Amino acid sequence: GQNIDQPTEMTATEGAIVQINCTYQTSGFNGLFWYQQHAGEAPTFLSYNVLDGLEEKGRFSSFLSRSKGYSYLLLKELQMKDSASYLCAVMDSNYQLIWGAGTKLIIKP
Amino acid sequence: GAVVSQHPSRVICKSGTSVKIECRSLDFQATTMFWYRQFPKQSLMLMATSNEGSKATYEQGVEKDKFLINHASLTLSTLTVTSAHPEDSSFYICSARDLTNKKETQYFGPGTRLLVL
Repeated sequence: GQNIDQPTEMTATEGAIVQINCTYQTSGFNGLFWYQQHAGEAPTFLSYNVLDGLEEKGRFSSFLSRSKGYSYLLLKELQMKDSASYLCAVMDSNYQLIWGAGTKLIIKP
Repeated sequence: GAVVSQHPSRVICKSGTSVKIECRSLDFQATTMFWYRQFPKQSLMLMATSNEGSKATYEQGVEKDKFLINHASLTLSTLTVTSAHPEDSSFYICSARDLTNKKETQYFGPGTRLLVL
């Protein structure tokens, strides 16, 4: 079966760095996405990785290792507004997104 | 980035009525759009894949006669919840697949919150 695993909840301090991990097992791979979702809102696209390595975009970076079925989202210089759920999703061989359950990130002052 | 709109953003209806939700890609053509449903504190669940000019593909457990999908053009897909019941109350989100620049990305609409009384 297809499976995406990510921690349910994480807590971090304002100004710090946090890494949210995602492991996956899917039938085929056409890229991995990270989305941010604030409560009551639709997800917002953060990043897309299809090749191994690190993609940096401002305070957010995303890493992918296809051989390990592993990705992480790195958030630097955390701000209170970063409190949200972070969703990992993998696009399978049929170009459908397989979603993780999301990681709720709580930022404390 | 690309923009996807949904209308309406919120709708309250009586049990037994039908509700239509529109999803539009505003600055790109989307041959494929996806409809998701999200219950509170749960992950997004794919309901169906909408392909322009052909019938939608529904996920297992999703009633195609209840959730009618029409992808009439390259920028518009509609989801109609027919004979809505209180258990259909949920957050409905569409996404559109953007294949421009040869980089596959899905962009989400803002979502439609449906409350069936």
